Amino acid sequence: GENVEQHPSTLSVQEGDSAVIKCTYSDSASNYFPWYKQELGKGPQLIIDIRSNVGEKKDQRIAVTLNKTAKHFSLHITETQPEDSAVYFCAATISGSARQLTFGSGTQLTVLP
Amino acid sequence: EPEVTQTPSHQVTQMGQEVILRCVPISNHLYFYWYRQILGQKVEFLVSFYNNEISEKSEIFDDQFSVERPDGSNFTLKIRSTKLEDSAMYFCASRETSGANNEQFFGPGTRLTVL
Repeated sequence: GENVEQHPSTLSVQEGDSAVIKCTYSDSASNYFPWYKQELGKGPQLIIDIRSNVGEKKDQRIAVTLNKTAKHFSLHITETQPEDSAVYFCAATISGSARQLTFGSGTQLTVLP
Repeated sequence: EPEVTQTPSHQVTQMGQEVILRCVPISNHLYFYWYRQILGQKVEFLVSFYNNEISEKSEIFDDQFSVERPDGSNFTLKIRSTKLEDSAMYFCASRETSGANNEQFFGPGTRLTVL
C-alpha cells in the first residue's frame, strides 16, 4: 500500500518568512495530493491540492509543487502570518476511486510574531 | 457552506463498553469515510463506504468495528467492546461522486476516551 513520509515534524519561522514542508510517496499509482491544515481541536481542512498532470499550483500565498519522477511534493507558504500556525498534513490517493487518503505524519508550523 | 457534523464531540467510556459515533455527511455526497488520530500521531484510515457497503477497510478495522448508514443522513461507527488503545480522535469525512472532485471534507471529530 501507499506510504507517505513528511518532513520536518516541526518548523518555526519568523512572521513574513517562507515555510516549506516536503513529502514523499511510494505508490506510483497515486495521482491526487491534497494538503490539509489542522488547527487545535478541529478536523483537517483542505488548503490546496494538486493532481499528477500538473507540476505546480498556486493559491495566493500557498503553492504546491509535484515531482512525479522523484515521487515527492512540497507545500510552500510565503509571507507567513501567525494565523498560519497549525499542523499541516500531506496526503496521497488515487483520483476518482473510493480509495482512502494516506496521510503523512504532520508538521507543526509555528509562525513567530 | 455545507459541512460534515459529528456527535458527540467527546465520549468517555469504560473499557469493554460499546460506543457509537455519529456523523452527518454533506447531503449530496456519496462516499463516506472514518479515520482516527491517536494523540500526536498521523491520521489513519479506518474504512470507506459507498453504495451501502464497505469499499475498503484497513487492518485497524477489525471485527470490533462496524459502520452503518441507518437512514438517508447519518453514518455511524460502532465499536463493540472498546479497548484502551481505541482512545483517539475519530474523524468522519465525505466526498462527492464526481471523478473530477476528489476533495474529502472532514468533520470536527469525536474525541473518544476509554478508561
